[in-house]
Amino acid sequence: DVKVTQSSRYLVKRTGEKVFLECVQDMDHENMFWYRQDPGLGLRLIYFSYDVKMKEKGDIPEGYSVSREKKERFSLILESASTNQTSMYLCASSSRRFPLYGYTFGSGTRLTVV
Amino acid sequence: AQKITQTQPGMFVQEKEAVTLDCTYDTSDQSYGLFWYKQPSSGEMIFLIYQGSYDEQNATEGRYSLNFQKARKSANLVISASQLGDSAMYFCAMSPPGGSYIPTFGRGTSLIVHP
Repeated sequence: DVKVTQSSRYLVKRTGEKVFLECVQDMDHENMFWYRQDPGLGLRLIYFSYDVKMKEKGDIPEGYSVSREKKERFSLILESASTNQTSMYLCASSSRRFPLYGYTFGSGTRLTVV
Repeated sequence: AQKITQTQPGMFVQEKEAVTLDCTYDTSDQSYGLFWYKQPSSGEMIFLIYQGSYDEQNATEGRYSLNFQKARKSANLVISASQLGDSAMYFCAMSPPGGSYIPTFGRGTSLIVHP
C-alpha cells in the first residue's frame, strides 16, 4: 500500500560527493515536493514541481537541484554534499485536482554527510 | 498569507488519558482544508485526519477527532485514550491558498505518553 517511495531510509555520504535522492509516487499526482527537516526548524521547502520538467524554488534551494523527467519521479540532487546538508529529507506529492486534500509523504531519508 | 500556529512545543500525557493539541490558523480563503500529521521517531509523516472548512461536523478517525471552531480559527486535535505508540511529533497543516501549490505547516508539537 506504499504510495510515495523514497529510495533510501538512511544514507551516509562524504563531503564533496554528488548525492541523488529519489522519490517515486504511484498516485498520478501532478505536484511533488522536497522538504528538509531539522530539529526546531520544522519543515522547510527546498524545491517543488507542478508538472513534468517544471520546477520551482522553495525557501532553501541553495546547494540543491532537482529533476522531474517523468510524472511519477522527482529527484533531489546535492551537487557537492556538505556537512550542513546532514538532515532528514522528506518527499511529498499532491493532486492538483483536489488541492484541499493535502499531501502524501514518503518515509523520509536520513542523510549524513561526513 | 496563510499561517499555522502550534503554541505547544511539547506535551505530556498519561497513558489512557485524552490530550488536546492546539492549532490556530489564519487565511483569507473561504474554502480550505485542515490536516493533522503524525511523525514518529522513525521519520515518516502519517496522515491522521482532515477537516474541510465547509464541513458542518467535526472530523473523527478512530481515537482522533478534530475540534474545529471556524469563528475562532482553531483546529485542535484530540486524541482519546492515549497509547504509548502515540508518542510522536504532531503537525497541523492547511491546504494551499488559492493559486498556490504549497500547503502551510505548523512547527509541530512533541507528544510524550507516559505509562
